[in-house]
Amino acid sequence: DVKVTQSSRYLVKRTGEKVFLECVQDMDHENMFWYRQDPGLGLRLIYFSYDVKMKEKGDIPEGYSVSREKKERFSLILESASTNQTSMYLCASSLDSGQAAGEKLFFGSGTQLSVL
Amino acid sequence: DQQVKQNSPSLSVQEGRISILNCDYTNSMFDYFLWYKKYPAEGPTFLISISSIKDKNEDGRFTVFLNKSAKHLSLHIVPSQPGDSAVYFCAASENNYGQNFVFGPGTRLSVLP
Repeated sequence: DVKVTQSSRYLVKRTGEKVFLECVQDMDHENMFWYRQDPGLGLRLIYFSYDVKMKEKGDIPEGYSVSREKKERFSLILESASTNQTSMYLCASSLDSGQAAGEKLFFGSGTQLSVL
Repeated sequence: DQQVKQNSPSLSVQEGRISILNCDYTNSMFDYFLWYKKYPAEGPTFLISISSIKDKNEDGRFTVFLNKSAKHLSLHIVPSQPGDSAVYFCAASENNYGQNFVFGPGTRLSVLP
């Protein structure tokens, strides 16, 4: 089974702190994604990466950056955390971006980030 | 403005009965639709999909219906089981690339024994 592991289940940070959210997948997937999930809203794509050192902005990239130095690891960085970044963050990976790729998203269990 | 809407935040159904979860979308270019299921403390997992060339797709107890003219899809679970209690997300895209799917806010289904 594909395993997508997010390093922290809960995280509490202060406004202005630099925050790193880590995600590791063990199935040699090409594509990795970061989403945030807020009550009343769907999962919203922040960034995705289709290869090492490659990244593309999603729908809500402002205030975030990402790093993919190794194929299995995709990091989400909040350069200066703000209270409106309090959210559930979900990482996902998929093998390819071809046909039926949407069905092949494998998600981690999420990191609930609170920014105080 | 949300492109994918699930207007019922929650739904309760008796075990053995039918659960119907609804999803509406605004973008007429959407051609691929997915349902994902999420248990507490776990990530979403893929459940069932449909593309616009079909109006129905069935997988065991789960059936998804698509009405493209109404921009509406629904997920039917028959019969409902307590293990189906979860949050269900619908998602839509113009193509089938993972990064292009727009997710709805989810509906929490509770199946009562």
